[in-house]
Amino acid sequence: SAVISQKPSRDICQRGTSLTIQCQVDSQVTMMFWYRQQPGQSLTLIATANQGSEATYESGFVIDKFPISRPNLTFSTLTVSNMSPEDSSIYLCSVETSADTQYFGPGTRLTVL
Amino acid sequence: TQLLEQSPQFLSIQEGENLTVYCNSSSVFSSLQWYRQEPGEGPVLLVTVVTGGEVKKLKRLTFQFGDARKDSSLHITAAQPGDTGLYLCNAGNMLTFGGGTRLMVKP
Repeated sequence: SAVISQKPSRDICQRGTSLTIQCQVDSQVTMMFWYRQQPGQSLTLIATANQGSEATYESGFVIDKFPISRPNLTFSTLTVSNMSPEDSSIYLCSVETSADTQYFGPGTRLTVL
Repeated sequence: TQLLEQSPQFLSIQEGENLTVYCNSSSVFSSLQWYRQEPGEGPVLLVTVVTGGEVKKLKRLTFQFGDARKDSSLHITAAQPGDTGLYLCNAGNMLTFGGGTRLMVKP
């Protein structure tokens, strides 16, 4: 298993600003992911955060809007850039510690005004 | 069209009732996971099923993987208010989640 923390837990931001979300894991993991969960909906994968190289983005998500850093095997950040109200969501990081098993952080609840 | 279709989307029942949630696909998966998410928290893994036809039990929860490894079901016996939450199925090797089933168990 893995214990994952996220900062901040929630934030209210103004349109046009950017927010960086941090994800910290208590052990070294190879696979780390970022998801978005819009109100009342399921999870959508944004990208895979790769250590030492650029993140791999899913269709509909781009690096300019969601830049991701992965400086080591226990930490990653996701930035939501130039925010609009449509970006209001819960953002979750997860890690995969064994085949096909993910552990999730508690999420960051973002509200954009 | 989602890769994983969950049904029902919403379910509101009384304490003590039984229920079944389904996760269906036209694709074959090497494994399938079920998660439960409570408000303000991230999803928590309940179970992983790997073998076609496999049945796993977790107290009052029974999970089954279809013989062809394309579908799965979650059955809850004598539901309790503590079972309230969003239930998600996940095809692990695809990083894809079903649309979710939001369960509310009323006391």
